[in-house]
Amino acid sequence: DQQVKQNSPSLSVQEGRISILNCDYTNSMFDYFLWYKKYPAEGPTFLISISSIKDKNEDGRFTVFLNKSAKHLSLHIVPSQPGDSAVYFCAALPGANNLFFGTGTRLTVIP
Amino acid sequence: DTGVSQDPRHKITKRGQNVTFRCDPISEHNRLYWYRQTLGQGPEFLTYFQNEAQLEKSRLLSDRFSAERPKGSFSTLEIQRTEQGDSAMYLCASSLARVGYTFGSGTRLTVV
Repeated sequence: DQQVKQNSPSLSVQEGRISILNCDYTNSMFDYFLWYKKYPAEGPTFLISISSIKDKNEDGRFTVFLNKSAKHLSLHIVPSQPGDSAVYFCAALPGANNLFFGTGTRLTVIP
Repeated sequence: DTGVSQDPRHKITKRGQNVTFRCDPISEHNRLYWYRQTLGQGPEFLTYFQNEAQLEKSRLLSDRFSAERPKGSFSTLEIQRTEQGDSAMYLCASSLARVGYTFGSGTRLTVV
C-alpha cells in the first residue's frame, strides 16, 4: 500500500520558470512532510520540510504547500535552474521514526 | 565531519552468499536508519536505532536480515543466504532529531 504517491514520474521545465512537483498521501496520521532531492549515485539530500500544523514553508527558491483537507502537498521551485535537475522524493513521517517515501519525480530543467 | 559514510559502494555476490554492509553516521547523531531502494521506487524503511538500541524494524526485515549498532556509533547490516530479490540500493541515514535525516551514498547490492 503506497501511502505517499507521486503520480508524475517526470517533469520538464524551462530555466527561469516555476517547477511544481506534486504529492498525495493517504494516511491522516502523518505529522511531518519532507522533500528530498536525489542525484544519480548519491543518497537523497534533504531539501525542505513542513509540519502538519502549517500550510506553507519557504526556504529561498523552494516553497512547500500543504493542503490537509485534500491530503496534498506541492513543492515550488522558483526560478528553476539547470542544477535543480534531479529526482525529487516526497516523504512523510507518521508520528514514528520511519519515513514513507513516494516513488519520485524526475525534474529536468532545460537551459 | 564528512557526512554519512557507507562501505562498500558496490557489492556483487552470488545467490546464497552472506554479505555485510557498514555505515558510519555523523559522529554526534544518535539516530541511525537503514532503508532499501529498488529501481523505480522510493526508499523503504528497514530499521531504526537510537544509540545502540534497535527500536523499530520493518516487516521487510526478514529473518535473513540482521542489523547491529554495537556501541551506538557505526552500524552493520548483514544479509544471509542472499536472493536475487535482495538486489537493491541499501541506504543508511543518521540524525539528531526525527526530522531531516542525512543519507549516505548507499551500497548497491547485485545478487547474481
